[in-house]
Amino acid sequence: SQQGEEDPQALSIQEGENATMNCSYKTSINNLQWYRQNSGRGLVHLILIRSNEREKHSGRLRVTLDTSKKSSSLLITASRAADTASYFCATDAFGRGSTLGRLYFGRGTQLTVWP
Amino acid sequence: EPEVTQTPSHQVTQMGQEVILRCVPISNHLYFYWYRQILGQKVEFLVSFYNNEISEKSEIFDDQFSVERPDGSNFTLKIRSTKLEDSAMYFCASSGMTGVSGEAFFGQGTRLTVV
Repeated sequence: SQQGEEDPQALSIQEGENATMNCSYKTSINNLQWYRQNSGRGLVHLILIRSNEREKHSGRLRVTLDTSKKSSSLLITASRAADTASYFCATDAFGRGSTLGRLYFGRGTQLTVWP
Repeated sequence: EPEVTQTPSHQVTQMGQEVILRCVPISNHLYFYWYRQILGQKVEFLVSFYNNEISEKSEIFDDQFSVERPDGSNFTLKIRSTKLEDSAMYFCASSGMTGVSGEAFFGQGTRLTVV
């Protein structure tokens, strides 16, 4: 299947520490997106990285993409209790010939940041 | 900031009843999607919609499901005869373009409970 798969499944850290979450996928992509979901709530778009990009920053977020390894990482620096949420990667389906932006999600990493 | 809005936030319905979930995508977007997330599971693609027609649908999107864009702003998902296993969070998403720059923005979701 195309789905991104995140690891670890769960990550528990103290405020101020950095959190790193990884995502692996299986087929060629045009881009990879990271989303955040607070418990029982909607998906908030965090960042999109294109297949020709290797790294992207947005505030305290840093995303890397290694297309040769078919993997991406999301780093949250100086984490806060408010960063507690599930984080998902989502890939398009370029390699499967899917059309018009269908996304494949992983199971997510549950991040808990303790004050 | 423009956002995707969904109504209702929570819908409880009896098995066999029809439900309509409503979405207002971001106004200048062209591509619309429905996804669902059964509790504790992955976010799964249901259907994509472009130029007033379905462009892709998943195996989940059977004859019980339909989508419509009845006017210039709303995008609806109808489930004709709900089953217990339709209980899930349903997310609407929209994007301005796909491919290389296809950020997809999601609504807050409608939690559907079938009893």
